[in-house]
Amino acid sequence: GAGVSQSPSNKVTEKGKDVELRCDPISGHTALYWYRQRLGQGLEFLIYFQGNSAPDKSGLPSDRFSAERTGESVSTLTIQRTQQEDSAVYLCASSLVGGGPPDTQYFGPGTRLTVL
Amino acid sequence: GQQVMQIPQYQHVQEGEDFTTYCNSSTTLSNIQWYKQRPGGHPVFLIQLVKSGEVKKQKRLTFQFGEAKKNSSLHITATQTTDVGTYFCAGNRDYGQNFVFGPGTRLSVLP
Repeated sequence: GAGVSQSPSNKVTEKGKDVELRCDPISGHTALYWYRQRLGQGLEFLIYFQGNSAPDKSGLPSDRFSAERTGESVSTLTIQRTQQEDSAVYLCASSLVGGGPPDTQYFGPGTRLTVL
Repeated sequence: GQQVMQIPQYQHVQEGEDFTTYCNSSTTLSNIQWYKQRPGGHPVFLIQLVKSGEVKKQKRLTFQFGEAKKNSSLHITATQTTDVGTYFCAGNRDYGQNFVFGPGTRLSVLP
């Protein structure tokens, strides 16, 4: 079946502009995660959605970052007034359930964001 | 908050040599996962460990979860060039909570 998809695959924007990144999780997966990965670095947790529970936003680096998820489907990550330090690959992952076994996270291909 | 560390940060080995990466958590974990990310790719799930002292094997890869459930290791026997990539561990403290990823160990295998 289809895996996690993300769009766009690449986004180049100017400093100060807003960007919206989209994630389509695997159908039926209740948990959805957003991560940021700077060049050559590890995965930085941003936000976690689990079913209808309030999202865990503890990883969002500033109030310029926000994310929404409609039910158990598409999620969008919005970055307002982008800064150069926001340049990174933004990875989305989904899993059948959240936080416990079986809980394999399936990752999308990521969106590479470049802020000029 | 919960922190997950990995050592070493980088490892260069000659093809055929063994490789081990260690993952340590500041808090007791309920379970731990390992992922591999090839250069230019996205993380791919390898395995999940749940029980204290658990050991699981996948061909040349051996995964271990510590007795105290605060550390884990991944050992690769007789590395091959296909093993090249970054290996991440990820743990969570309780079911329903998000996973915290370690910074990863980048493995280079010289032919």
